[in-house]
Amino acid sequence: EDQVTQSPEALRLQEGESSSLNCSYTVSGLRGLFWYRQDPGKGPEFLFTLYSAGEEKEKERLKATLTKKESFLHITAPKPEDSATYLCAVQAMEYGNKLVFGAGTILRVKS
Amino acid sequence: DTEVTQTPKHLVMGMTNKKSLKCEQHMGHRAMYWYKQKAKKPPELMFVYSYEKLSINESVPSRFSPECPNSSLLNLHLHALQPEDSALYLCASSLHDRAPSLPQHFGDGTRLSIL
Repeated sequence: EDQVTQSPEALRLQEGESSSLNCSYTVSGLRGLFWYRQDPGKGPEFLFTLYSAGEEKEKERLKATLTKKESFLHITAPKPEDSATYLCAVQAMEYGNKLVFGAGTILRVKS
Repeated sequence: DTEVTQTPKHLVMGMTNKKSLKCEQHMGHRAMYWYKQKAKKPPELMFVYSYEKLSINESVPSRFSPECPNSSLLNLHLHALQPEDSALYLCASSLHDRAPSLPQHFGDGTRLSIL
C-alpha cells in the first residue's frame, strides 16, 4: 500500500485557470511534509515545508495547506512557466530520516 | 541555479568501467544524500551521510560505493554497473537530519547511461 498518494497524475489547465493538486498520506507520526517542483532534466526544487495540521504557506501563485491526512497545493491563475512535475514527500517517525515521495502530478499550463 | 553542484552532468559508461560521480555544497549542510530517479518516477533514496558518517544504506548493491571525504563533498563510485542502473542520480543536502525535519536541497543530477 502506498504511503503517499498524489492526484491527479496529470493536469492540463488553461492560463489563468486556478486548480489544486492533492497529496494524501497514511504514515503515522508525521514530522514534515514537503512540496517540490521538478522540471524535465533538472533536480527537484524545494517549495514548501508543512509541519502540522492547519498550517499554510504561500509563494507567488502557489499556496500549500495541510490537514491530518492530506495536503493541497493550490495554484492561482497559473502561467505556462508553472508547467512542471510537482512532487510531495513526507518524513515520518516510522521511517526515521527517510523522505517518502509520492509519484507526482504532471502539470501543463497552456496559453 | 542550484546550490548543490553535481558533476558530470552526463556520463556514458560500459559495464566494466569504473567511474565516480561528484557532489559539492557550500551551505554548511551536514547531511548529504544520494538518490536514484528513473524516468517518470519519484526519487528513490540510496544513501544518507550524517556528519560525514554513513547513516542509511537502502540495501544498495555493492557496485555503488559512496564516500564522504569532508562536510562539503560527496562521491558515488561506480563499478561493474548493469544496464538497469541507467538513471538520473541526484545528490541532496540538508542542514542536518535530526528533528525537526528540514528540507533537502537537490542538485540537477548526473544522467547516467550504461552501455
